[in-house]
Amino acid sequence: EAGVAQSPRYKIIEKRQSVAFWCNPISGHATLYWYQQILGQGPKLLIQFQNNGVVDDSQLPKDRFSAERLKGVDSTLKIQPAKLEDSAVYLCASSLGAGGPGEQFFGPGTRLTVL
Amino acid sequence: AQSVSQHNHHVILSEAASLELGCNYSYGGTVNLFWYVQYPGQHLQLLLKYFSGDPLVKGIKGFEAEFIKSKFSFNLRKPSVQWSDTAEYFCAVSEGGTGFQKLVFGTGTRLLVSP
Repeated sequence: EAGVAQSPRYKIIEKRQSVAFWCNPISGHATLYWYQQILGQGPKLLIQFQNNGVVDDSQLPKDRFSAERLKGVDSTLKIQPAKLEDSAVYLCASSLGAGGPGEQFFGPGTRLTVL
Repeated sequence: AQSVSQHNHHVILSEAASLELGCNYSYGGTVNLFWYVQYPGQHLQLLLKYFSGDPLVKGIKGFEAEFIKSKFSFNLRKPSVQWSDTAEYFCAVSEGGTGFQKLVFGTGTRLLVSP
C-alpha cells in the first residue's frame, strides 16, 4: 500500500515570498490533516478535511495560510506571504474514518526554510 | 484546551537498559491516547494506541504503555531497549467520542541508545 506522498521535500524561500505544498493521501482515506512542526516542538494541527470539507481550521493563520482539498483527494497548503517564523516541517497525514480515533498515517513532510 | 507534557526531552540509555518515557495530559473527559515514533530519516508512525478497555496496551517492537486515568498519564515502557530504538517519541491525545477529534502532540522525547 502506497503511503502519504508530499512534495517538495525541501523548500527555501525569502520572507514575503509565497510557497505551496502538495499532499496525496492514502487511497480511500476520507480525512486529511496538515500539521506544522517547528523545531523542538511536536506537530500542531493546522487544518483537517473530511472529504473536501473543512472540519477544523481553528489554528490556521488565515491571513497568510490557505488550504484546499481538490475533489476530496489531493490537497495543497499555501503560505502567502511567508514570515521567518513559518520555518518548520509541514506534515500531511490521512486517516480512513469519517470520525472517531482512527490511526493517522503521516507523510515524509516538507521542510520549509524562510530566510 | 488540551495539552500534553512529555517530561524528558532527551534520554540516553545503553542497550538492554529499561525505558520509561513520561506523558501527562490535561483533559478531564474521555480521551484517546497514542504514542508515535519517528526513526531517523523516516516518517512518523504509530507505536501504540489506547481507546478503551485494558489500560495496559501493547504495541509494536516490544513497547507497551499504561493508561492511569487518576494520574492523567500514559507512560511508554520497554523492558530492554536496542540500538534500533534510537528515535524521537511523541505522545498524543485526542478527545474521546465519535466526532472529529484533533490530535494534540507533546513536544517529543529524543532517545539515544548506545550499543
